This record gives sequence, C-alpha cells and structure tokens, in this order.
Amino acid sequence: DAKTTQPPSMDCAEGRAANLPCNHSTISGNEYVYWYRQIHSQGPQYIIHGLKNNETNEMASLIITEDRKSSTLILPHATLRDTAVYYCIVSTGGATNKLIFGTGTLLAVQP
Amino acid sequence: KAGVTQTPRYLIKTRGQQVTLSCSPISGHRSVSWYQQTPGQGLQFLFEYFSETQRNKGNFPGRFSGRQFSNSRSEMNVSTLELGDSALYLCASSLGPEAGNTIYFGEGSWLTVV
Repeated sequence: DAKTTQPPSMDCAEGRAANLPCNHSTISGNEYVYWYRQIHSQGPQYIIHGLKNNETNEMASLIITEDRKSSTLILPHATLRDTAVYYCIVSTGGATNKLIFGTGTLLAVQP
Repeated sequence: KAGVTQTPRYLIKTRGQQVTLSCSPISGHRSVSWYQQTPGQGLQFLFEYFSETQRNKGNFPGRFSGRQFSNSRSEMNVSTLELGDSALYLCASSLGPEAGNTIYFGEGSWLTVV
C-alpha cells in the first residue's frame, strides 16, 4: 500500500501558485519524498525529490515539514500544461528503487 | 542526453501469445525497473534489475519475467497473455538502487490483448 495520502483533486487558476499537499506520517528516517506527474497516456515525469530540507528546481519547490510527516509541492505559476495527476511517493530506500504509487492528485488548471 | 527509451510504443497481441518489451535506460544508468499501469490497479511495481540481477519483485504471477543485459538494457516478457494484461508498461532507470537517486520513466509501451 502507498505510504502517502493526497487529496484526489484540486483546482488552480492559471498564473497562480499551485500548492499540492501530501501526508506521509509513517516515513522512515532514510526515506525520500518524490514527486512525479503524469499527463494522460504519457510516462510519469520526475519533478523533484528531497529528504528533509526544502528543495527547489526549475519546475517546482518542495517544502517538507520539520517532522517530515507531510510535504507540499509548489508550482509557482501554474499553466494549462500543468494539468496532470501528481503523485507523492515515499521511496522505500535502501537497496531498491521500488516506488509505490498511490492514486495521486488530479490538478486541473483553469484558464 | 536521451531519456529512457521503450519499444515498441504500441502493440496488439492475442490471448495466449507472449510479448517482449524492450527498455534502454539513460546512458550511465545501471538500475532499471518496470511498472504496469491499468485503470483499475493504477501504477504497480513489477521488478527491478541492477547489474543484471533482479533485486526486487512485485506481486505478479510468474508469467511476468524480465532480464537485464550487461549494457544495462532490459527486457520484460509476458507469456500466455490474458485480457487483463492489457496495460501501459513503463520502464524507469536510475544511476543505481541507492535511496535518493533520481528515477526517470520512459513513455511506456501500450499493450492491448484481444
């Protein structure tokens, strides 16, 4: 079973920041939080990942709470092309790259 | 540099046949994993290979198998196809199996079983 909980859907106005929450209350100390998105019929696209510090790249920012039990993915200026299913995944860590996907959040960016 | 490449992109098979799907990881990546995505079950982990060794396996029947070659390229095989095997099969690669490595997915192979 997935170790994360995400809202099933969210709306965001184009040009606004999209803040996608994720709960991972049972995360272990050596597990990373990964975010992917998937546009219909395409492979999942890597967005960002982090362990405990906040991370930022050209696509998004990842804010992880101090207790690491939840995180937020921030898309600073959402566009229509950001409409997708967003998956928050806690890696099992250690000697495997196994990712356990949940049902994700369908983000709908509205014009 | 080139991403994860999967072939074929689309294929149609008949029940009872077998199918082989191919995956070329990103150059320098030595870990390859496979996933199945269906509308009912979502994205499910099939197996992972590193240095030609299967390191982890998901909860799938023995009809699903895979292998990795010395150049890190990987293939997966499904024998005795069933209608329920119709799915998007995704390959992902990373530098290695250590936690924290970035894992990149290919565009997938769409398999339809009729």
